[in-house]
Amino acid sequence: DVVMTQSPLSLPVTLGQPASISCRSSQSLVYSDGNTYLNWFQQRPGQSPRRLLYKVSHRDSGVPDRFTGSGSGTDFTLKIIRVEAEDVGVYYCMQGTHWPYTFGQGTKLEIK
Amino acid sequence: QVHLVESGGGLVKPGGSLRLSCAASGFRFSDYYMSWIRQAPGKGLEWVSFISTSSSYTNYAESVTGRFTISRDDAKNSLYLQLDSLRVEDTAVYYCVRASREVDYWGQGSLVTVSS
Repeated sequence: DVVMTQSPLSLPVTLGQPASISCRSSQSLVYSDGNTYLNWFQQRPGQSPRRLLYKVSHRDSGVPDRFTGSGSGTDFTLKIIRVEAEDVGVYYCMQGTHWPYTFGQGTKLEIK
Repeated sequence: QVHLVESGGGLVKPGGSLRLSCAASGFRFSDYYMSWIRQAPGKGLEWVSFISTSSSYTNYAESVTGRFTISRDDAKNSLYLQLDSLRVEDTAVYYCVRASREVDYWGQGSLVTVSS
């Protein structure tokens, strides 16, 4: 199975400051159709996950533009330009290229 | 607006069975792959299974192969997961999700607790 490794696992951030989460895969996530199926999800406390980004950098409707995704191959990053209080929660990367699709361990973002 | 509503969870003894259902609305159900993803209490996310359009193809995580069966009824806009030979380690919130490799919408989840 493709192993997704996130870092850090805990991310204390001051309001208004940037945050960055790394996600590395054990194999390239480029699919045979040329797409890279790397998604990012946010799970707020007590809620279901919500997709933020798909295919590395495509932002979902309604997602603030302070969330950006980048990367290629096996190395990906989620960045929040300026953290707000509503961003508290756990962030997961997920690969949809190789079955079984797999998630990272999650990164818990909290406000300092 | 896309809505996915799971039902059928509960407490079951090891070796027992349950059937989860997911009622979908707000989109053309028959056009989408559908999936189940689970989350053990306080833990991360684990893919369980997906089913293609027209039920022509299914796939399962190794941990549930031979014990769980995914199915769909496009006429009823519904997705199902039959859970057999349940184990303590199957205890989790089970989420119904739209699509597979580009999963987007999630239901609120249904808690399955396997305990004697």
